[in-house]
Amino acid sequence: QSVLTQPPSVSGAPGQRVTISCTGSSSNIGAGYDVHWYQQLPGTAPKLLIYGNSNRPSGVPDRFSGSKSGTSASLAITGLQAEDEADYYCQSYDSSLSGWMFGGGTKLTVL
Amino acid sequence: EVQLVESGGGLVQPGGSLRLSCAASGFTFSTYWMYWVRQAPGKGLVWVSRINSDGSSTSYADSVKGRFTNSRDNAKNTLYLQMNSLRAEDTAVYYCAGVFKGTTWPNEALDYWGQGTLVTVSS
Repeated sequence: QSVLTQPPSVSGAPGQRVTISCTGSSSNIGAGYDVHWYQQLPGTAPKLLIYGNSNRPSGVPDRFSGSKSGTSASLAITGLQAEDEADYYCQSYDSSLSGWMFGGGTKLTVL
Repeated sequence: EVQLVESGGGLVQPGGSLRLSCAASGFTFSTYWMYWVRQAPGKGLVWVSRINSDGSSTSYADSVKGRFTNSRDNAKNTLYLQMNSLRAEDTAVYYCAGVFKGTTWPNEALDYWGQGTLVTVSS
């Protein structure tokens, strides 16, 4: 059971917009700690997609955006493309566990 | 080109030991805080350990505390994870990863990742 809760799967058709939620608690996201998002394509290492809740590293398309409110965060992907099919993970620090936590991951399927 | 190359994984019996290495190149390794993250087969990412840039400070997940030791040799641009008293539940791909410079403790994100090395604990 992950401290950060994500839906196991989401899906969307090419060109559509999808969102992936990451729900935490008062000891992590709700405490003001930043949320980061990673994309993991099949058989590869994770890649940083969003850092500091809503910032994109250089080279990440602006189709990807992040937001945070209260004890939750969201990753939005617009103009869905076949190459976006991957697992997505949120990450934050948890003060009660004194460590860094990942969400359980969400598998995005492009229909 | 930034590269992190893990090695040292393999099959080990329960109770055994293994030392993973992560060789870094293409960036100033000695200035980066580094993580170990693992992923059991078909499962999600799990933080294992963190070490600061000069190796003087380490943190561990409760599941590995007292059994795993994270260290580094900045002269050799190499990160290590010594794993003792291994259990079946330690079976996973182990990734080393570097902290993104645009983030600071404890809000650290990871932007350099190795390809991972598989550790299998089984009799």
